[in-house]
Order: sequence, then C-alpha cells, then structure tokens
Amino acid sequence: DVKVTQSSRYLVKRTGEKVFLECVQDMDHENMFWYRQDPGLGLRLIYFSYDVKMKEKGDIPEGYSVSREKKERFSLILESASTNQTSMYLCASSPPGLAPTGELFFGEGSRLTVL
Amino acid sequence: AQKITQTQPGMFVQEKEAVTLDCTYDTSDPSYGLFWYKQPSSGEMIFLIYQGSYDQQNATEGRYSLNFQKARKSANLVISASQLGDSAMYFCAMREGHGSSNTGKLIFGQGTTLQVKP
Repeated sequence: DVKVTQSSRYLVKRTGEKVFLECVQDMDHENMFWYRQDPGLGLRLIYFSYDVKMKEKGDIPEGYSVSREKKERFSLILESASTNQTSMYLCASSPPGLAPTGELFFGEGSRLTVL
Repeated sequence: AQKITQTQPGMFVQEKEAVTLDCTYDTSDPSYGLFWYKQPSSGEMIFLIYQGSYDQQNATEGRYSLNFQKARKSANLVISASQLGDSAMYFCAMREGHGSSNTGKLIFGQGTTLQVKP
C-alpha cells in the first residue's frame, strides 16, 4: 500500500516563526502536492511538484514555499508564520499521468495553529 | 476556469437508507476525471470512486455509485444502505486531462458532512 507520512500531526507555532512541514512517500511517485483545508472552503492547492527540484504554484502560494530535493520528500515552508495560516495541511502524492485513475494518496494531515 | 461546487454543507440519513451527495462542476476541457473522497474525523482522505469524462457507464464501487450526468455537469455520489461508519465529510474533486494527458492536480469542492443516524 502507498504510504504518505507527514512528520507532525499537530503543531503550535508563534507568529513570525519559520515552520517546516515534512512529507515523505514510499511509492516512488513523481507527483507530490500540498493542500490546505479550511471549513467551508474545502481543499485548496498551495504548491505541487512533478519531479525532483521542480515546483509549481497552486492556487494559494502566497506566504509559502516548498522544497523537493529528493523524490520521496516534499517540504512545505512557512517563512514567517501568521495567524491566518492556522489550518489543516494535507500532503498527497500520485503516480504519473499513465495511471488508470491517477487518484491522490494523502497523508494524515498536519494541523497547524499559529498564535 | 474549472470549478467544483457542493451545495450541501451537512446531510443526515437514517441507517440502512440510501443518500445522495450533490456535486456540480464546470470545465471547458472535454477530457477530465471526477473523484469522491471520504474524510472521517481522524482526518485521513480515503479515495472512494472515479469517473472519467469519456466513460459510458456510471462508476460503481461496492455501496458507492457515481450518478454522472454529463450534460448537466453533475457527478453525485450515491451511498446505498448507509452504515454508521459512513459518517464523515465527503469531498468531490475534479482533474482536467485524462489518462496520459492529465496534470495530476485535483480541485476540490467545499465538502459535505454526512451524519448517519442509528
């Protein structure tokens, strides 16, 4: 089974701190994604990556950056955390386009609170 | 621009009855895929069912079926014989492109919280 592991389930940080959210997948997937989930807004795409060292902005990239130095690891970075970044963050991966359905495989989520 | 809309923030259903969760979408791409995910209170996202835009028949997976009405741009999820364990949030999602041409990105609706009553 595909496993996507997010390093922390719950984090509490202070405004202005630099925050790292780590995600590792064990199925050699090319595609990796970071989503943010907020009540009433569903999931919104922050950044995604199709390959090592490649990254593309999603719908809400402001205030975030990402790093993909190895195929299995995709990190989300909040350079200076703000209270409006309090949210649930979900990492996902998927095989490349030739997969039958190409569904995303998700981690368990990281609930970040910024005080 | 592509868009997914779920208009039911919350739904109740009696155990063992069927329930339909609504989803409408908008895209100008003739090739797309539609997904439903379940998110229990534990937070994990569980893939339920997939429908490709060129698929002739509605997708089914066990108690889940997708009522795909292409002309109306709707992709409603039908859960038959509801169980207490079906209580969760459900998300509809869409991906533009199909098979080898897909981009991998999904856009999601707002979600519907389903509560199954005993």
